[in-house]
Amino acid sequence: DAKTTQPTSMDCAEGRAANLPCNHSTISGNEYVYWYRQIHSQGPQYIIHGLKNNETNEMASLIITEDRKSSTLILPHATLRDTAVYYCIVITTSGTYKYIFGTGTRLKVLA
Amino acid sequence: GAGVSQTPSNKVTEKGKYVELRCDPISGHTALYWYRQSLGQGPEFLIYFQGTGAADDSGLPNDRFFAVRPEGSVSTLKIQRTERGDSAVYLCASSLMQGPYEQYFGPGTRLTVT
Repeated sequence: DAKTTQPTSMDCAEGRAANLPCNHSTISGNEYVYWYRQIHSQGPQYIIHGLKNNETNEMASLIITEDRKSSTLILPHATLRDTAVYYCIVITTSGTYKYIFGTGTRLKVLA
Repeated sequence: GAGVSQTPSNKVTEKGKYVELRCDPISGHTALYWYRQSLGQGPEFLIYFQGTGAADDSGLPNDRFFAVRPEGSVSTLKIQRTERGDSAVYLCASSLMQGPYEQYFGPGTRLTVT
């Protein structure tokens, strides 16, 4: 079973920030949080990952709570092309590093 | 550079037939993963290769499914005696090496069993 829970769907106005939450209350100290997105009919695309600290790259920011039990992916200025399913995944630092996907959050960016 | 490629992009086969799905990972990536995605669901892990060996095949649903990676690069997922329930998108991903590194996914092969 997936170690994460996410809302099924969200809407966001174009140009506004999209904040996608993820709960991972059973996360262990050596487990990373990864975010991917999947645009219709494509393979999942890596966005960002983090362990304890907040992270930012050219695509998004990742905010991880101090207790690490939840995180938020932030798309600062959502565009129509950001409409996709967003997956939050917890990865252990041992084993085979396989991804256990949940059903993700379907983000719809509205014009 | 070139990403992960998968062939064919679409495959339609009759129930009971044998199919092979091919994955070309990113050059130099030693870790390779296969996933299966049914409509409306997230991808489901099938098998993981580190080099030529299958390090984890715990996700293969039954013995009709088999995968190989003989030279540590290209991988083939083989399905015998296909069933309608095997219809899904089969995704391949590669990663630079074993570890918590990002996986790069291919576009997938859509398999339809009639």
